[in-house]
Amino acid sequence: QKEVEQDPGPLSVPEGAIVSLNCTYSNSAFQYFMWYRQYSRKGPELLMYTYSSGNKEDGRFTAQVDKSSKYISLFIRDSQPSDSATYLCAMSAEGNNRLAFGKGNQVVVIP
Amino acid sequence: NAGVMQNPRHLVRRRGQEARLRCSPVKGHSHVYWYRQLPEEGLKFMVYLQKENIIDESGMPKERFSAEFPKEGPSILRIQQVVRGDSAAYFCASSPQGGYGYTFGSGTRLTVV
Repeated sequence: QKEVEQDPGPLSVPEGAIVSLNCTYSNSAFQYFMWYRQYSRKGPELLMYTYSSGNKEDGRFTAQVDKSSKYISLFIRDSQPSDSATYLCAMSAEGNNRLAFGKGNQVVVIP
Repeated sequence: NAGVMQNPRHLVRRRGQEARLRCSPVKGHSHVYWYRQLPEEGLKFMVYLQKENIIDESGMPKERFSAEFPKEGPSILRIQQVVRGDSAAYFCASSPQGGYGYTFGSGTRLTVV
């Protein structure tokens, strides 16, 4: 079983729709949970960062962590064509600087 | 304030040659990380370095790969005797201290022919 599972299937949505992405993980030591956005031929950029369980909102983006289910989610409201990118979940344990990444979801927002 | 600078952006090497990838961290950042992204795979941790020290190299292949972050100059990821399976995008990231607020570079895309 991989440490982090993220269904890499591409996702196409119309502009204005809600995008819902998720990851599951197996390592109960993970405490830090991140979502990165990666545009084509670019490096990942940090989008959201959450410590332990709970919700975090930043503008149109909401990150949720459910440690009891080992499940994290990212929601993008009122999606825009500029949101078209690959979204990667990443996580890490306390005191450990290495990140474990999911495979990424390619999202296409159609105008 | 430049971000993480990686060069070259693209590198083509024949099998058996050496590849040297360079990473200049954000000014003032003393922690550097290297990740590899294989086609259809997520980013995989390779190595974590501070100035003149390798802190965690648990993700580095045991042979042919080495990394350094000297007191002066960029961090270098070196791959000796490259093979086709080394073809990937190699990303460097830096942070001001150990933690999770990495800044990634745009990567070096290595193609082995």
